[in-house]
Amino acid sequence: KQEVTQIPAALSVPEGENLVLNCSFTDSAIYNLQWFRQDPGKGLTSLLLIQSSQREQTSGRLNASLDKSSGRSTLYIAASQPGDSATYLCAVNTGFQKLVFGTGTRLLVSP
Amino acid sequence: GAGVSQSPSNKVTEKGKDVELRCDPISGHTALYWYRQSLGQGLEFLIYFQGNSAPDKSGLPSDRFSAERTGGSVSTLTIQRTQQEDSAVYLCASSLDGLSGNTIYFGEGSWLTVV
Repeated sequence: KQEVTQIPAALSVPEGENLVLNCSFTDSAIYNLQWFRQDPGKGLTSLLLIQSSQREQTSGRLNASLDKSSGRSTLYIAASQPGDSATYLCAVNTGFQKLVFGTGTRLLVSP
Repeated sequence: GAGVSQSPSNKVTEKGKDVELRCDPISGHTALYWYRQSLGQGLEFLIYFQGNSAPDKSGLPSDRFSAERTGGSVSTLTIQRTQQEDSAVYLCASSLDGLSGNTIYFGEGSWLTVV
């Protein structure tokens, strides 16, 4: 059974810091991995999608990497801003777009 | 529509009553998914539709839960005889098709409270 773990569970940083969120999964047989952002009381917003054949994806200040063989992904956020405060979720696609989610990392960026 | 639309956004119901949650996916998306997010727990998969058929309903927690999709568009998730443990956010998502590789887009969820 695929299990997804995210570390740390919570993170508090001052504005401007670069930070890394970690995601690990137990079964490397995945189709892709997706990082989402969830604001309080809101749904999920897709940030980055990495196909199983890819090593990384970038969007603005965000960079996500994938090491499928070791079951790891990282989300790098450069020059963090208070608006980045949210819960970040990673999810692995086990087939037919069936996603297995991690429990998330709650990020607080202080001004 | 521009995004995945869900209704109601909030629902409070009495234990034992039936509830219906509606999802309107992004126009042209053939794949539709229901997930549940319970307090203190992660998101769990409930059911997947490709068109009007549901090839994977393995995540439905009990036979009190059912879902249908008509016209390849709107989907309804029905919970019969609600229990307090059904309290959660029910999230609907859609993607262009069921092939792995397409981004999945989520709605803002229906917040269900069973009292």
